[in-house]
Amino acid sequence: NAGVTQTPKFRILKIGQSMTLQCTQDMNHNYMYWYRQDPGMGLKLIYYSVGAGITDKGEVPNGYNVSRSTTEDFPLRLELAAPSQTSVYFCASIVGRLNTEAFFGQGTRLTVV
Amino acid sequence: AQKITQTQPGMFVQEKEAVTLDCTYDTSDPSYGLFWYKQPSSGEMIFLIYQGSYDQQNATEGRYSLNFQKARKSANLVISASQLGDSAMYFCAMREGNSYGKLTFGQGTILTVHP
Repeated sequence: NAGVTQTPKFRILKIGQSMTLQCTQDMNHNYMYWYRQDPGMGLKLIYYSVGAGITDKGEVPNGYNVSRSTTEDFPLRLELAAPSQTSVYFCASIVGRLNTEAFFGQGTRLTVV
Repeated sequence: AQKITQTQPGMFVQEKEAVTLDCTYDTSDPSYGLFWYKQPSSGEMIFLIYQGSYDQQNATEGRYSLNFQKARKSANLVISASQLGDSAMYFCAMREGNSYGKLTFGQGTILTVHP
């Protein structure tokens, strides 16, 4: 059982470039999330989805876009990368009940130079 | 306003001793859940323990227990018999009942276990 899989694990981008962070889960979870973690800080929510075709903004959505065409996949798109987007990105999913733990991917360490 | 506050940037404990990591929260939702996650230096997020707002008993999972004081809005993590492998960053997080499962995280506490 793979759980939540993120690719790539590491990436260096130049300012102004774009990229897509991939996230796939094989647990048939409806709810999926993208968080970012800046150095020495807690995680902040970028975007989330409660099912295929439904997405909404979190606390820090500027500079990002998402889509959810299937239950399994929840890619995060960075347009026009900026140094402020240097961070570790985590994808997570839950089955949907309040008391269930969130399953996290291994994270993507992104550096924008 | 901060919804989750962890006031201890760093904590030190001797191996085999117990340690308490503090967490206070703020919500007006009567239905909520509190989580603790461990993040070792390798970076992954490891779920430790969960406490629901309606749970009557404090949660326990092996060497981890959650000291839940609802009136004081605190959810402190207690690690008993610390091990060197417990050295990591620890995050407290909250999920409110009407939040579509979103988690709000505290700033984290770095725990260092000394031999």
